[in-house]
Amino acid sequence: NAGVTQTPKFQVLKTGQSMTLQCAQDMNHNSMYWYRQDPGMGLRLIYYSASEGTTDKGEVPNGYNVSRLNKREFSLRLESAAPSQTSVYFCASNLQDGVPNTEAFFGQGTRLTVV
Amino acid sequence: AQSVTQLDSHVSVSEGTPVLLRCNYSSSYSPSLFWYVQHPNKGLQLLLKYTSAATLVKGINGFEAEFKKSETSFHLTKPSAHMSDAAEYFCVVSSSGGYQKVTFGTGTKLQVIP
Repeated sequence: NAGVTQTPKFQVLKTGQSMTLQCAQDMNHNSMYWYRQDPGMGLRLIYYSASEGTTDKGEVPNGYNVSRLNKREFSLRLESAAPSQTSVYFCASNLQDGVPNTEAFFGQGTRLTVV
Repeated sequence: AQSVTQLDSHVSVSEGTPVLLRCNYSSSYSPSLFWYVQHPNKGLQLLLKYTSAATLVKGINGFEAEFKKSETSFHLTKPSAHMSDAAEYFCVVSSSGGYQKVTFGTGTKLQVIP
């Protein structure tokens, strides 16, 4: 049982390049999330998908797009990478958004550096 | 509105001594509270959660936390630190249901000295 799988684990981009971060979960969860983690700032929500076919902006959506490809997969795209997007990105999922107390399961993260 | 404050960015303890990681929150509603642990270069793992039942919550690896409404606190404790406890710990609050509405604390790095 893999849980939440993110690819790639590491990536270096040049300013202006584009890339897609992939995330897949095998727990039949309805809701999926993308966070970024920056030193001293905790985790901040970029986008989320409460259920298949829906996506919504989080706290810091600018410069990103997402696609909920199916129930299992939720990708994050950087169209034109900027140094400010250097961060560690985490994908997470949980059974059902809107239900209190349901814990989220996290992937192992993608370390992205934009030079 | 909700917020969470982790009072210490770094905590250092000797192996075998107690651990206390402090967390205060503010919330307009009855909150759900979580503690997550992140080991170096790893994802986040749930340690424990408060779900409005018992105020003393026991989690994995010997950790526990006590919900104190009067003090708006949810401090994480462990009686005896182990080297494997060295990690970063995040306090998380959700006051209106829905994981997209959670707020993460800024984290506390725990160092365990042999």
